[in-house]
Amino acid sequence: DAGITQSPRYKITETGRQVTLMCHQTWSHSYMFWYRQDLGHGLRLIYYSAAADITDKGEVPDGYVVSRSKTENFPLTLESATRSQTSVYFCASRGDRAHLYEQYFGPGTRLTVT
Amino acid sequence: DQQVKQNSPSLSVQEGRISILNCDYTNSMFDYFLWYKKYPAEGPTFLISISSIKDKNEDGRFTVFLNKSAKHLSLHIVPSQPGDSAVYFCAASGARDDKIIFGKGTRLHILP
Repeated sequence: DAGITQSPRYKITETGRQVTLMCHQTWSHSYMFWYRQDLGHGLRLIYYSAAADITDKGEVPDGYVVSRSKTENFPLTLESATRSQTSVYFCASRGDRAHLYEQYFGPGTRLTVT
Repeated sequence: DQQVKQNSPSLSVQEGRISILNCDYTNSMFDYFLWYKKYPAEGPTFLISISSIKDKNEDGRFTVFLNKSAKHLSLHIVPSQPGDSAVYFCAASGARDDKIIFGKGTRLHILP
C-alpha cells in the first residue's frame, strides 16, 4: 500500500532486550524522522535522516540507534530497552523541497518495556 | 527550554461555536508554522500552515493567524464540529532547518 507504515503496531518487551521498530514509506521522500510521544511532553524528535546513509540526532537520541541503508526504510533500534522508553513511537517522512515542511506520519507503534 | 509552547493542555467548546487554540514561540528565526491534528491511536495529520511573510491563512473552517511581533499564532475553527475533537499540535521551523519543533499539544473537546 502507498504511504507510510510502521511495524509492529504494538510491542511488549523486557528491560535489557533489544527491539527494532520498522518504518517504511513508498513516496521516495528524502527525509524521515522518528518521534516519541509521551504525556506532558508532546512529540519529541529522536533521530532523523536527510537521505540514505545520512542520519542526525534529534532532541532525545540517547538509548536509540538508527540506520538508513535504503531511502524507503528507517528502522529504530533500542539496543537495551529501559522502562523510560515505554512510549508511542511515530515515524514520519517529507519531501526535500525547502518550502514543503509538512511531514506525513505513520500510525505509530506502542511500545511497553516491562 | 521549550521553543514552541501550547499553554492550554485542554479546551472545551460547544458544537457550532468558535474554537481558538493558541501557541507561542521563542525562536525569532522560525519562519514557518504548522498545525497538526491527532486522533487517538493514529498518527498526527497535517492541518494547515503559515509562512512568516503572511499574517493569516485560511482553509475552509480553519484559519491560522500569525502575530510575529508577539511571537504568537492561533488556530481558529469555525464552526466547531464533533469530529474536531482531537489533540492539536503547533509546530515551527526555520528557513534552513531540516526538522520542525512541536509543542506539547492541546486536547480539544467539542461538546454536543
